[in-house]
Amino acid sequence: SAVISQKPSRDICQRGTSLTIQCQVDSQVTMMFWYRQQPGQSLTLIATANQGSEATYESGFVIDKFPISRPNLTFSTLTVSNMSPEDSSIYLCSVQGWTGGAAGYEQYFGPGTRLTVT
Amino acid sequence: KQEVTQIPAALSVPEGENLVLNCSFTDSAIYNLQWFRQDPGKGLTSLLLIQSSQREQTSGRLNASLDKSSGRSTLYIAASQPGDSATYLCAAYSGYALNFGKGTSLLVTP
Repeated sequence: SAVISQKPSRDICQRGTSLTIQCQVDSQVTMMFWYRQQPGQSLTLIATANQGSEATYESGFVIDKFPISRPNLTFSTLTVSNMSPEDSSIYLCSVQGWTGGAAGYEQYFGPGTRLTVT
Repeated sequence: KQEVTQIPAALSVPEGENLVLNCSFTDSAIYNLQWFRQDPGKGLTSLLLIQSSQREQTSGRLNASLDKSSGRSTLYIAASQPGDSATYLCAAYSGYALNFGKGTSLLVTP
């Protein structure tokens, strides 16, 4: 398993500002994932971050709005830029752990960052 | 694209009851299916992972089943307790990232 920490745990931000969320993992991982969970909704994948390459964004998410850094195998940041109230969500960092069998990968999640934009 | 649906959206039961949460997915080409628990305002805790070749997986009072051919999974909670109150999410892994359902919000009343 993997232990994931995120900073900050929560924040209240003004419209038009940016917030950078940090994700730290206790072991080296190839891929890190960023998810968003809007109020009352399930999780939606924003992007996948591999160390040493550009992040891969899902449909509906763009790099200008959600720039991601992945400087090493244990750390990543997600920035929410030019925020609006619609960006109010929980943002979760996630990694995969190899199960060693036919199940493939198991996913582990950080505690999340609760963002409120006013 | 994999679509995951969970029924019911919300459930309230008295303490001690056994209950079943349902999950269905549209693409049966999955490697595994995971059940998670999410407490209000918190991250996700993995409860059970069933690989595609398995029929069920058990952990304590929890039992998850998988019928890949019909695209369905169930989470059975025995002898429910107030501490089981949370949102339960199922997610299908098809080789890239997880596709999540919207969850079942469970309330167990004393």
